[in-house]
Amino acid sequence: NAGVTQTPKFQVLKTGQSMTLQCAQDMNHEYMSWYRQDPGMGLRLIHYSVGAGITDQGEVPNGYNVSRSTTEDFPLRLLSAAPSQTSVYFCASSSLAGGLGGETQYFGPGTRLLVL
Amino acid sequence: DAKTTQPPSMDCAEGRAANLPCNHSTISGNEYVYWYRQIHSQGPQYIIHGLKNNETNEMASLIITEDRKSSTLILPHATLRDTAVYYCIVRVAQGSRLTFGEGTQLTVNP
Repeated sequence: NAGVTQTPKFQVLKTGQSMTLQCAQDMNHEYMSWYRQDPGMGLRLIHYSVGAGITDQGEVPNGYNVSRSTTEDFPLRLLSAAPSQTSVYFCASSSLAGGLGGETQYFGPGTRLLVL
Repeated sequence: DAKTTQPPSMDCAEGRAANLPCNHSTISGNEYVYWYRQIHSQGPQYIIHGLKNNETNEMASLIITEDRKSSTLILPHATLRDTAVYYCIVRVAQGSRLTFGEGTQLTVNP
């Protein structure tokens, strides 16, 4: 298993540009989520999904869109990049079949985004 | 999800036990205690979780007080590779979001 993969690893954007951060998992996990981490801070939840066709907002959803057309993929779209979106983005997945409290979330390696 | 309080930083000598405390005085009966760690520039890594009883796995031990208002993560023989930020998180069951605080920066010194 590759686990959770993210592409690209690094990206530089100009203000106003749009782009899609890719996330894929091969563990057949129902639950997927996107976090951002600013320097010296903990992770903050952007959006999450409990299955194909179902998404919901986290703490900091503004400026981001998601969709979940397949179990494996959960792309994050930046509609019009702003310098405030400079951050490291982590994707995570977990199974909902692990019983109460039984599942753990697996994180990808991250995408480092710089918006100029 | 309940809020947690952790010291911002701790030091530990290599080979000694590292004991990382966490306060979660507002924890509810159906909330679990989870520990994750993040080694510099990498994605967070799951360590251990528990509800009421103490738990042990190949990475660490988790000691939860009887009133469940605090817990301690124990790394029995810390190595330099254990240097990381350690996050204590309380949450309800599967599918619920992980809320990360600022964690504890553990530095293991040679």
